[in-house]
Amino acid sequence: DAGVIQSPRHEVTEMGQEVTLRCKPISGHDYLFWYRQTMMRGLELLIYFNNNVPIDDSGMPEDRFSAKMPNASFSTLKIQPSEPRDSAVYFCASNLSGVGDTQYFGPGTRLTVL
Amino acid sequence: QKEVEQNSGPLSVPEGAIASLNCTYSDRGSQSFFWYRQYSGKSPELIMSIYSNGDKEDGRFTAQLNNASQYVSLLIRDSQPSDSATYLCAVNGASGNTPLVFGKGTRLSVIA
Repeated sequence: DAGVIQSPRHEVTEMGQEVTLRCKPISGHDYLFWYRQTMMRGLELLIYFNNNVPIDDSGMPEDRFSAKMPNASFSTLKIQPSEPRDSAVYFCASNLSGVGDTQYFGPGTRLTVL
Repeated sequence: QKEVEQNSGPLSVPEGAIASLNCTYSDRGSQSFFWYRQYSGKSPELIMSIYSNGDKEDGRFTAQLNNASQYVSLLIRDSQPSDSATYLCAVNGASGNTPLVFGKGTRLSVIA
């Protein structure tokens, strides 16, 4: 299997612009997770889906962030408008057997908002 | 609020020594524990999981779980410079139906 796929790998944008991050989970995995990682806060869970349905979005920092999963093989995380404090590495992860079990991470998207 | 605590390091050990990484967790009912390794600029990758009290060995890696004291540790024997990375501890909730909570990680440096 190709593993979790994320795009783009790097994104540089200006404050106020819309940013869309994309993720393709491992085929057959029922759970998909979006994380943000910074030096200060570590790895933070933003939202997770089960069978394409958002289950818990309590980690989404504010209304500027939204996530969708229109089908089992694709998810997006959108930031609109972006701000410099959104600069971080965003990871997507998926797993097969349960929300509290082993997760497999994608390569991440490094976002820089100027 | 479930918490997972790790010493941020850096932990420096000489090549060939044993590296010991520790993690404490707040949710007494947690059932699944994971160690991930993250190289600089890369994504976390799973290296060990442990589900029951005691030790679990896999090659040079040993995970140790102590439910009573609520800590889990990772021992790396015969440390190599290629082991230099940040090690993240992850713990699930007591119900098993909540996502993993990750610690902030311990940075390990193995000196040749």
